Amino acid sequence: GDSVTQMEGPVTLSEEAFLTINCTYTATGYPSLFWYVQYPGEGLQLLLKATKADDKGSNKGFEATYRKETTSFHLEKGSVQVSDSAVYFCALSDRVDSNYQLIWGAGTKLIIKP
Amino acid sequence: EADIYQTPRYLVIGTGKKITLECSQTMGHDKMYWYQQDPGMELHLIHYSYGVNSTEKGDLSSESTVSRIRTEHFPLTLESARPSHTSQYLCASSSDRFPSTDTQYFGPGTRLTVL
Repeated sequence: GDSVTQMEGPVTLSEEAFLTINCTYTATGYPSLFWYVQYPGEGLQLLLKATKADDKGSNKGFEATYRKETTSFHLEKGSVQVSDSAVYFCALSDRVDSNYQLIWGAGTKLIIKP
Repeated sequence: EADIYQTPRYLVIGTGKKITLECSQTMGHDKMYWYQQDPGMELHLIHYSYGVNSTEKGDLSSESTVSRIRTEHFPLTLESARPSHTSQYLCASSSDRFPSTDTQYFGPGTRLTVL
């Protein structure tokens, strides 16, 4: 079945460092790909989304490009801030009958030190 | 974007008690979901609903039950809480309207502790 594999955490960086969190997937169809973020004590927020190959999703300085040839959707940010400390989840949409469900990665905890 | 509300945000309760976790959304989304998550860890789908009077069990077996009598409301009930039910419970919803049919929007979660 479809699956998502994420880089294991925690990932610890200094403020203003470059961030990459790796995400690869296996899917039989053409899913949409997502990054969600979860701040401490909160629910998940949609960070960005891409719906087809070569699409780039972007939001709040974060970017991810849908790479079908490498089945990847890596999350990047050029200069991280302490406020970016959170858990990041990669997910893909899986069509079940005429509906969609999300297949989740295990999450990657990001810690940014001042 | 959906507005999803969950109450209570935190609940500490003794073993054997019956509890209901509330989830409501105001955007008219047909699809709603319950996930169980140890804080910051992997999400596990425990229930979902594709509309009124429709409920299904998810991938993770759960002793909880759900109901969907109104579009906006999707409560989760534990008849007899146990310490193994201690976790965070996240409610989500998604629209039937293209192109957002596969995007889920989450509530803030309920952190449940069973003593």
